[in-house]
Amino acid sequence: EAQVTQNPRYLITVTGKKLTVTCSQNMNHEYMSWYRQDPGLGLRQIYYSMNVEVTDKGDVPEGYKVSRKEKRNFPLILESPSPNQTSLYFCASSFDRRGYTFGSGTRLTVV
Amino acid sequence: QKEVEQDPGPLSVPEGAIVSLNCTYSNSAFQYFMWYRQYSRKGPELLMYTYSSGNKEDGRFTAQVDKSSKYISLFIRDSQPSDSATYLCAMDDYKLSFGAGTTVTVRA
Repeated sequence: EAQVTQNPRYLITVTGKKLTVTCSQNMNHEYMSWYRQDPGLGLRQIYYSMNVEVTDKGDVPEGYKVSRKEKRNFPLILESPSPNQTSLYFCASSFDRRGYTFGSGTRLTVV
Repeated sequence: QKEVEQDPGPLSVPEGAIVSLNCTYSNSAFQYFMWYRQYSRKGPELLMYTYSSGNKEDGRFTAQVDKSSKYISLFIRDSQPSDSATYLCAMDDYKLSFGAGTTVTVRA
């Protein structure tokens, strides 16, 4: 089944403890990106990648890192999470930018 | 000012009605225009995409783009209770920008 898989689905962590949210797609898509969704603010892009080793900042990149070492994987790294990064996170991928497939989301709580 | 503006609603219609959703944008560099549907606690699901001005139809859904006015629309004909969801417009110039989403309820 063609899909974008995110893990974990739910995560509660403490301030300052490094974490990684994984994202993997099995559709050989070139484009991958990360978003956060917050009430009243909607979906905002954090980072995107056009291909292996090519990444760029979205609207809200502060406090996040990404890497694209393989085509199928695009992990999101929070080096020192803070409570304002509590959010619902989505990974998405696309073959040609004409529509993206989204993962099921990761609900992160930083206390 | 946001790049993409969308009325958050909420919008409530009776079953069978036509649902009309709109977004405006300010960035002339947007190349692809999309509509997504999102159910509660789920990821957005692509409904339609377009890349030129005009209409595109897919079953009960029609997407309209007017690049000269920087305005896009989605129409849902013969709406069903299962269409109750949040509808998001999105536009791409490598960076994907979303509208705020309109919450739609179709009453049986």
